[in-house]
Amino acid sequence: GEDVEQSLFLSVREGDSSVINCTYTDSSSTYLYWYKQEPGAGLQLLTYIFSNMDMKQDQRLTVLLNKKDKHLSLRIADTQTGDSAIYFCGGSQGNLIFGKGTKLSVKP
Amino acid sequence: ETGVTQSPTHLIKTRGQQVTLRCSSQSGHNTVSWYQQALGQGPQFIFQYYREEENGRGNFPPRFSGLQFPNYSSELNVNALELDDSALYLCASSSGTSGIWYFGPGTRLLVL
Repeated sequence: GEDVEQSLFLSVREGDSSVINCTYTDSSSTYLYWYKQEPGAGLQLLTYIFSNMDMKQDQRLTVLLNKKDKHLSLRIADTQTGDSAIYFCGGSQGNLIFGKGTKLSVKP
Repeated sequence: ETGVTQSPTHLIKTRGQQVTLRCSSQSGHNTVSWYQQALGQGPQFIFQYYREEENGRGNFPPRFSGLQFPNYSSELNVNALELDDSALYLCASSSGTSGIWYFGPGTRLLVL
């Protein structure tokens, strides 16, 4: 089955760019997703990319997909303190398969 | 457009009891799935319902069961609660044609 891996922690300074990386094992996912989870809350859909795309940009967010290496990344430009949260990447084979999440800490 | 809603927000039960959690899917969505998120972990898929039929299940025992109703809302039932069932339970809905999943705020269950 699908396995998704992410680094657990990332710390950046306010105004810098953040890059969160994710690797996955199964390339049959139709979509690949990034969700944001703030403390005590549910998952907020940030963005998603269709599996036949290489890149998607949405305001401060840029998603890169390297299907050959099975690597997905999320770049957040001009990171703000409000971006501090846990970020999950996930693949979809009908249901979603998630990694353990990357905790992003933004220092003022 | 109404998003995914869940009730209750928090719940405390004792070991051996039964619990029912509820989810209303986003308007126009006919597919609902449930996830368990233990502390410090990513969400784990429990099962999925499409048009009132279960059409996918994760690695959870039969004491986790569910229903989907004609209005596409859903219930998650857990019997014989165990301490390890303490978690955030998330419901997500999708339109079968788009496959984009939207999550509710979750129900936090504590089993004592």
